[in-house]
Amino acid sequence: DTGVSQNPRHKITKRGQNVTFRCDPISEHNRLYWYRQTLGQGPEFLTYFQNEAQLEKSRLLSDRFSAERPKGSFSTLEIQRTEQGDSAMYLCASSSGTLAGDTQYFGPGTRLTVL
Amino acid sequence: DAKTTQPNSMESNEEEPVHLPCNHSTISGTDYIHWYRQLPSQGPEYVIHGLTSNVNNRMASLAIAEDRKSSTLILHRATLRDAAVYYCIRGRYGGSQGNLIFGKGTKLSVKP
Repeated sequence: DTGVSQNPRHKITKRGQNVTFRCDPISEHNRLYWYRQTLGQGPEFLTYFQNEAQLEKSRLLSDRFSAERPKGSFSTLEIQRTEQGDSAMYLCASSSGTLAGDTQYFGPGTRLTVL
Repeated sequence: DAKTTQPNSMESNEEEPVHLPCNHSTISGTDYIHWYRQLPSQGPEYVIHGLTSNVNNRMASLAIAEDRKSSTLILHRATLRDAAVYYCIRGRYGGSQGNLIFGKGTKLSVKP
């Protein structure tokens, strides 16, 4: 399967702990996006990479959140000192970034539960 | 601000066509109209996109109003597997503005 993969699929943690999620995009896709989705809402944009450069960050991305994409391949999203309000589905998407059609392909998401 | 308006929910019968409306009255000339859908417990899935002309693909058709202030996603024969939340999104390609701004979407129920 050459789709977007995310690990882990589920994560349960205690408040105050740090967590890290991984996203492996479709190979050769140079754009990678992170979104967050809470129950009953549509996904909300968090941040976006063009290759290894983080080009845009949402105001939702507090200083407890950090994302990296070393070498422009996989990406990690870390949340430090988790809070109960961080409980959500974290979605990763990738795209080729061509002007003609920049369809985003989403992974299955990582569901985070903060106790 | 999603800048699109969709009904919260719609129902359809299996094997019948479904027309999902979307209003985007403040759309600019360079904004594309994208449709994604999200099945339960899955990430969003691309359905179709267009700029001015109507578009068809294997999944659906997209009818865009002449003034581009509204569009309709058409599923020609709904199946039970089409039950999902459908998101209408306006967005630009290229440059640094690549993120999608999702609203709450339309939850489509399909009855057998």
